[in-house]
Amino acid sequence: GEDVEQSLFLSVREGDSSVINCTYTDSSSTYLYWYKQEPGAGLQLLTYIFSNMDMKQDQRLTVLLNKKDKHLSLRIADTQTGDSAIYFCAETRYNFNKFYFGSGTKLNVKP
Amino acid sequence: DTGVSQDPRHKITKRGQNVTFRCDPISEHNRLYWYRQTLGQGPEFLTYFQNEAQLEKSRLLSDRFSAERPKGSFSTLEIQRTEQGDSAMYLCASSSSGRGLAGGLKSYEQYFGPGTRLTVT
Repeated sequence: GEDVEQSLFLSVREGDSSVINCTYTDSSSTYLYWYKQEPGAGLQLLTYIFSNMDMKQDQRLTVLLNKKDKHLSLRIADTQTGDSAIYFCAETRYNFNKFYFGSGTKLNVKP
Repeated sequence: DTGVSQDPRHKITKRGQNVTFRCDPISEHNRLYWYRQTLGQGPEFLTYFQNEAQLEKSRLLSDRFSAERPKGSFSTLEIQRTEQGDSAMYLCASSSSGRGLAGGLKSYEQYFGPGTRLTVT
């Protein structure tokens, strides 16, 4: 399957942690990604994780992967108003010939 | 390095007309992707080139859509006999094959252009 699913909205207060969740169906997925899209802008690659890893940390971002449940999450620590954007989960197989994206989670950070 | 560029940024056309979009990838990138994004949705994969070879095409890419990358550098996406349902943002992305300095694959680093917004009236 090629389905990647995300919840549509998340609202948090500035300084709290945000957790954005994603599920996918393709057991052949090799790389899983998180992208950020701000209004009127293109997609910005935030981070990625290889399917044989279960966690990756990059500054304020922590990616957790549960391969058994095909569940991916992105945790943003100390969320700032500048983090308000749409976050997309994506996956691809080993040959990188196709990428499949979720519908995006709109993160709203309240001051 | 100026990143991935796309031209035009906006296009308004009447139903039935043909349109062509251009994508210039990052200069050393041999992989190039086209996506379509409609409001409230994530990018949908359309097609993939490695150098000048078109290696993947989505079922979404009807006969009215054609893409080329003649010299393995820039790419064009043409839509013939446009329909209102073609209204969307068309995104281009590029990446590089081969290995980075640390020996890891560079292919996973896909960079997107700003997109071409098509409105069909």
